[in-house]
Amino acid sequence: EVQLVESGGGLVQSGGSLRLSCAASGFTFSNYWMHWVRQGPGKGLVWVSRISYDEITTNYADSVKGRFTISRDNGKNTLYLQMNSLRAEDTAVYYCTRLHTSSQFDSWGQGTLVTVSS
Amino acid sequence: SYELTQPPSVSVSPGQTASITCSGDKLGDKYVCWYQQKPGQSPVLVIYQNNKRPSGIPERFSGSNSGNTATLTISGTQAMDEADFYCQAWDSSTVVFGGGTMLTVL
Repeated sequence: EVQLVESGGGLVQSGGSLRLSCAASGFTFSNYWMHWVRQGPGKGLVWVSRISYDEITTNYADSVKGRFTISRDNGKNTLYLQMNSLRAEDTAVYYCTRLHTSSQFDSWGQGTLVTVSS
Repeated sequence: SYELTQPPSVSVSPGQTASITCSGDKLGDKYVCWYQQKPGQSPVLVIYQNNKRPSGIPERFSGSNSGNTATLTISGTQAMDEADFYCQAWDSSTVVFGGGTMLTVL
C-alpha cells in the first residue's frame, strides 16, 4: 500500500524557517516525480513545487521561488521542503503527493499544518 | 499565468445528475484531472486524462473535456458524494488547480 506521511509542520514567526519531510513507503520512491501542494485555511489547492525522480529537475510556484527549496533522499525514501523567509500567507496545510506516469496525482499524504504568525 | 475557473458551488438532489465545470483557455488541448476532497481529508483522484476513472472510483463519476471547458459529471448523486471538487491541468512545467467547487447534495 502506498503511504506518504508528512511531518515537520508547526507554528513559526514571520521570517522564520521550517523543514517539512514526507516519508514514502509501499512503492519504489526513486521512480517517481514528487510534488508539494498546499491549502490555506478555507482555501483551495495550490501547487508549490516539484522534483524529478533523479533530483535533477526542480520547479517552483512564483509565490515561493527563492524562499523554498525542494529536495529528496532516495536512499531514505524521503521528500523535503525547506521553507525560509516565511510569511503569513504561507500558512497552510502542506501535502506531499506522488505524480503518476500519466501526469495525475494518484497518492496524497495526510498533510502537515504550517502556521506563520505575524 | 494559466487559470482554471470553477463555479464556487453546485447543488443537486439525491439521485439526480450533478455537473461541475472547469474553464480555461484551450483547455480541451490539455489533459484534465479531478479530485474530490471531503472535510478534514486529503484529496482523492476521481478522474484522470479527462475521462478515466482510477480503480475503486464508482462508475457514476465521469468526465469530458472539449473546447475551453472540462466537465465532471456525477450520475445518481449520493449523499456521500458531498465534497469539494478540484480540476487540475498542466501549463508547461507548472501544475494549475481550479479554485474548487463545493458540491451540496440536498
